[in-house]
Amino acid sequence: ETGVTQTPRHLVMGMTNKKSLKCEQHLGHNAMYWYKQSAKKPLELMFVYSLEERVENNSVPSRFSPECPNSSHLFLHLHTLQPEDSALYLCASSPSSRGTQYFGPGTRLTVL
Amino acid sequence: AQSVTQLGSHVSVSEGALVLLRCNYSSSVPPYLFWYVQYPNQGLQLLLKYTSAATLVKGINGFEAEFKKSETSFHLTKPSAHMSDAAEYFCAVSGTTSGTYKYIFGTGTRLKVLA
Repeated sequence: ETGVTQTPRHLVMGMTNKKSLKCEQHLGHNAMYWYKQSAKKPLELMFVYSLEERVENNSVPSRFSPECPNSSHLFLHLHTLQPEDSALYLCASSPSSRGTQYFGPGTRLTVL
Repeated sequence: AQSVTQLGSHVSVSEGALVLLRCNYSSSVPPYLFWYVQYPNQGLQLLLKYTSAATLVKGINGFEAEFKKSETSFHLTKPSAHMSDAAEYFCAVSGTTSGTYKYIFGTGTRLKVLA
């Protein structure tokens, strides 16, 4: 398998649930990213990991918790989300912080 | 600091007509510039990129873009639109802020192709 994969592709959860999004890259890249894409809003960068260390956190609420156990895997742990958190969550990776980003297909999250 | 502005959130063209999607950037250092495309229910994929080599960059699916430093622009063009070009297009800039590389995406332009 090649490229960036994300699971699940669709997720519906209640506000009291805890769930996790998974991202996996088989490209040997050093940097990984989480983005939030909401309707009629710009793409929002949430977190950046470089060599498994978090290097950027753009004022994301604590109900979103990222984890990068190794350079190939990135998780986004979700708990007590709000309906306004419903969006498409995109994972990306890149060989360096300046290079082309390779995106996964996204997880469509709906919070009820 | 870097920023990128895409003029026009929606653009409609007839099939076979010229496609022109506008992108202006600001950057305190020579930038890397990118165009990405997003089809429905998919992630973004790279169309083309400028990394300080040739100013006219050719990408996939017949798209190209020209880096114009004097105009701080990186507009995306395609001579003849095809129905399959209907998608959302994002311009992005990569540069440094306080020694750290930052990657900034524009707000996107949704291209509609009319039969």
